[in-house]
Amino acid sequence: DAMVIQNPRYQVTQFGKPVTLSCSQTLNHNVMYWYQQKSSQAPKLLFHYYDKDFNNEADTPDNFQSRRPNTSFCFLDIRSPGLGDAAMYLCATSRGASGVAYNEQFFGPGTRLTVL
Amino acid sequence: DQQVKQNSPSLSVQEGRISILNCDYTNSMFDYFLWYKKYPAEGPTFLISISSIKDKNEDGRFTVFLNKSAKHLSLHIVPSQPGDSAVYFCAASPGDFGNEKLTFGTGTRLTIIP
Repeated sequence: DAMVIQNPRYQVTQFGKPVTLSCSQTLNHNVMYWYQQKSSQAPKLLFHYYDKDFNNEADTPDNFQSRRPNTSFCFLDIRSPGLGDAAMYLCATSRGASGVAYNEQFFGPGTRLTVL
Repeated sequence: DQQVKQNSPSLSVQEGRISILNCDYTNSMFDYFLWYKKYPAEGPTFLISISSIKDKNEDGRFTVFLNKSAKHLSLHIVPSQPGDSAVYFCAASPGDFGNEKLTFGTGTRLTIIP
């Protein structure tokens, strides 16, 4: 089945220790998104890639970076995690095709990040 | 500033009855609205959507209603089944190609009582 895969599902890191979260997709979608969801809050878009074009949200902290080395993979790097960065991180993809009413987003299961 | 609001954090409904989940938005630029369903330990899965040019979209047991003048949408589930117990997120988008990012509400936890 075509899908969005996130690894690891659970990640524990220490305060200030860099961490990388991984997302891969077999859907061959053009667009990949990273969301942060804190407890009882709405998922919040951090940034997205349209193909190789990176689009950062205005309020995404500089501490968060992303890489997309190819169509299938996208990484979220947190350079110096703080306690406030503990959250569920969701990766999503969409086809990004023109001429359709809307390109729905398909989500992975998420990575829960704990910062000690 | 929360542009998409789900004011009911939780809702309990008897099996077989109608579940109605509500969502309000403030941004007039939103042109496309979606409902996502989320089970524990899984990512959100797309459920149903509606374009701003429509006021109703139906898919099996699920119907979404849109009232643009009131900036309000609702999701109706009839009849409700135990497997519908999940968190439901309302989301909105400008819908323009290349600008399809979603703004989510905080979710409503639906519990179906057998």
